[in-house]
Amino acid sequence: EVQLVESGGGFVQPGGSLRLSCAASGFIFSSYWMHWVRQAPGKGLVWVSRINSDGSSTRYADSVKGRFTISRDNAKNTLYLQMNSLRAEDTAVYYCTRVASSPYYYHGMDVWGQGTTVTVSS
Amino acid sequence: DIQMTQSPSSVSASVGDRITITCRASQDISSWLAWYQQKPGKAPKLLIYAASNLQSGVPSRFSGSGSGTDFTLTISSLQPEDFATYYCQQANSFQYTFGQGTKLEIK
Repeated sequence: EVQLVESGGGFVQPGGSLRLSCAASGFIFSSYWMHWVRQAPGKGLVWVSRINSDGSSTRYADSVKGRFTISRDNAKNTLYLQMNSLRAEDTAVYYCTRVASSPYYYHGMDVWGQGTTVTVSS
Repeated sequence: DIQMTQSPSSVSASVGDRITITCRASQDISSWLAWYQQKPGKAPKLLIYAASNLQSGVPSRFSGSGSGTDFTLTISSLQPEDFATYYCQQANSFQYTFGQGTKLEIK
């Protein structure tokens, strides 16, 4: 079964750090670009970051640039999101999701994890 | 950055109705667009990719169209399980922007 399982969420004070993990199974992890998407309580989906299949290229939303770092370990089939200097506005459910890469068209985010909750509060 | 604007923000409809949701990009994104459905407390589900391609396993009552800056998601005959929130998302730029969402409610 194709599956993504996030972990590492929790409660943290402003200025603190957390590292999220996303364990992939049931597919060839190293063939896919991976993304993090978040959703604040009662709000819409917001794209956070993406990493290409071999980890050589990363992109970030302006709101997290310089504070968050996406990485992956293809040997462990795991995606990470290191979150530093956390702010109250980073409070959200964080989802990992995959995209099949193609230069010809967008395949969409076809598999999602169940999400992990991050709460930033004093 | 490319902005995605969906309309309407919410819509009430009945089972059997045909509804259309519109998504407009702030600049040309060709067909680099996807549509998602999200139900409360659940992860989003991919419905349409590359603007008009139906994801495997998604009922054929869902369809997508458009290219450039204007896109639509149509549900031809609403079923009870279709009441949810729908999002468009562009992938033409380095930042993969979502629309603000359209909440589809039962009339």
